[in-house]
Amino acid sequence: QQQVKQSPQSLIVQKGGIPIINCAYENTAFDYFPWYQQFPGKGPALLIAIRPDVSEKKEGRFTISFNKSAKQFSLHIMDSQPGDSATYFCAASTGGNNRKLIWGLGTSLAVNP
Amino acid sequence: NAGVTQTPKFQVLKTGQSMTLQCAQDMNHNSMYWYRQDPGMGLRLIYYSASEGTTDKGEVPNGYNVSRLNKREFSLRLESAAPSQTSVYFCASRLTGSENSPLHFGNGTRLTVT
Repeated sequence: QQQVKQSPQSLIVQKGGIPIINCAYENTAFDYFPWYQQFPGKGPALLIAIRPDVSEKKEGRFTISFNKSAKQFSLHIMDSQPGDSATYFCAASTGGNNRKLIWGLGTSLAVNP
Repeated sequence: NAGVTQTPKFQVLKTGQSMTLQCAQDMNHNSMYWYRQDPGMGLRLIYYSASEGTTDKGEVPNGYNVSRLNKREFSLRLESAAPSQTSVYFCASRLTGSENSPLHFGNGTRLTVT
């Protein structure tokens, strides 16, 4: 039973487009929602993260939008570039020192030149 | 600035063979993790270690054993490899005590079991 549902599975956009990746969760105890970016042949790396007390967080061209009532959060990539082509994972976890992440299944993004 | 180092990068095993995947981190992190990544299945936690001397099962521990050798090193052992264990294995570490500290991943070991 997947606790974090991520969509779409794959996404192709043109350079300059705004890809949007969506995640939905059920567990209202989740209080930390990171996004990880993974390039081919590399391990995932933290891109941006949000706590449920804010509705939006921006870091450069990357924005997380968070809708607590709908139990959904999404990643927007403004002015996407070919170098953004990667697999993106959303995740969620509850608090505490031994935080374990519940992962979405990933979205493969291709940004065409 | 090595971060998390995994060895080997690639390995081919025959069914029934054993091997140990090595992982070391130089960031003085408390927690270490082993994940496997399979197409369409995301990242699945195999085992984790919250601190030196402790290990716990994750979602998919069957067929694997782990050893937290010291604070730096966390190894994953396959005692009798099966084709279902063909996967990319990632080790990760995290500094606990800082609640939202991120996971730091190695670059993976690509394992094929024939």
